Amino acid sequence: AQSVTQLGSHVSVSEGALVLLRCNYSSSVPPYLFWYVQYPNQGLQLLLKYTSAATLVKGINGFEAEFKKSETSFHLTKPSAHMSDAAEYFCAVSEGTYKYIFGTGTRLKVLA
Amino acid sequence: EAGVTQFPSHSVIEKGQTVTLRCDPISGHDNLYWYRRVMGKEIKFLLHFVKESKQDESGMPNNRFLAERTGGTYSTLKVQPAELEDSGVYFCASSLGGNTEAFFGQGTRLTVV
Repeated sequence: AQSVTQLGSHVSVSEGALVLLRCNYSSSVPPYLFWYVQYPNQGLQLLLKYTSAATLVKGINGFEAEFKKSETSFHLTKPSAHMSDAAEYFCAVSEGTYKYIFGTGTRLKVLA
Repeated sequence: EAGVTQFPSHSVIEKGQTVTLRCDPISGHDNLYWYRRVMGKEIKFLLHFVKESKQDESGMPNNRFLAERTGGTYSTLKVQPAELEDSGVYFCASSLGGNTEAFFGQGTRLTVV
């Protein structure tokens, strides 16, 4: 069975600092992995996805994630946080279908 | 082009009442999904429509939940009678194909008191 673990339900970073949001997954088949973001009063928006091509995936708004099979990880990073990055971030896994398995989410706070 | 739209954005009802949530997918998207997030927990899959047919309803919690998609356009999710544990955010998503990117709506926050 597939599962996703997001370490840290709340993460705070200073503006301009590195953003690192952790995601570990479990899957019996080669997974598809996703990061979604939810800004206040908005829907879930796809940040980036891994579908077995390049292991380093670049997404929107300067975010990227690296698929590490040996560590079963898909951590999300951004070199320099901006105030507008404050949101809730969700990691998800699927077997290549619509049926996503989501993590519990990480709320990112950016401090001025 | 309009995205996935959900109505209402918030709903507060009493235990035992009935609530109907609506989702309007992106035009032309045959695939429609419902997910739910109970407070503080993960977002969980409820069911999947292809046009008007239910392809997978393995995530539906119990028979108090009824989803329909008449005509293959908008979908409704009815909870009858609502219980306290039904509180949460209900997300709808749609996609063109069954294995292509799903676009999510802003969610309906349901509070059962």
